[in-house]
Amino acid sequence: KQEVTQIPAALSVPEGENLVLNCSFTDSAIYNLQWFRQDPGKGLTSLLLIQSSQREQTSGRLNASLDKSSGRSTLYIAASQPGDSATYLCAVDRNRDDKIIFGKGTRLHILP
Amino acid sequence: SAVISQKPSRDICQRGTSLTIQCQVDSQVTMMFWYRQQPGQSLTLIATANQGSEATYESGFVIDKFPISRPNLTFSTLTVSNMSPEDSSIYLCSVKGQLNTEAFFGQGTRLTVV
Repeated sequence: KQEVTQIPAALSVPEGENLVLNCSFTDSAIYNLQWFRQDPGKGLTSLLLIQSSQREQTSGRLNASLDKSSGRSTLYIAASQPGDSATYLCAVDRNRDDKIIFGKGTRLHILP
Repeated sequence: SAVISQKPSRDICQRGTSLTIQCQVDSQVTMMFWYRQQPGQSLTLIATANQGSEATYESGFVIDKFPISRPNLTFSTLTVSNMSPEDSSIYLCSVKGQLNTEAFFGQGTRLTVV
């Protein structure tokens, strides 16, 4: 049974710092890994999708890496801003039509 | 990408009543997924809805409590029946894109049962 773990559960950093969020999964037979952002009481916004054959994806100040064999992914946020404050969720699936399984998220607070 | 419209965005309901949540997608999709997010928790899949067939429910979720309709390839509803305060959660509809199977979510329905 696939389990997704995210560390740390919560993180507070001063504005401008670079930071790394971690995600690990127990079953390396994944199809996609996806990072989401969720603002309080809201839905999910897709940030980055990494297919199982890829090693990393970049979008603006965000970079996500995937090491499938070791069951790990990281989300790197450069030059953090207060608007980055949100919960970041990591999720994986086994095939294109399968459900996605979520970690519990990292609650990020960027201090002005 | 897929754009998902979910209604209502929030509601406060009396215990014992039912609420139907609607999910409309701007493109045809094979499968639609319904998730629940209890306060302070991550997302848990309730069921997968395929057009033209009955929904497939995850362990711990039953059709009598969460009936689902999927009348066409762009629309689905989830009903939360005979509600109790424990059903207070955010309910989210999700689809996967056809090309790279990226998952997209609606803005969620924030349900409070009193």
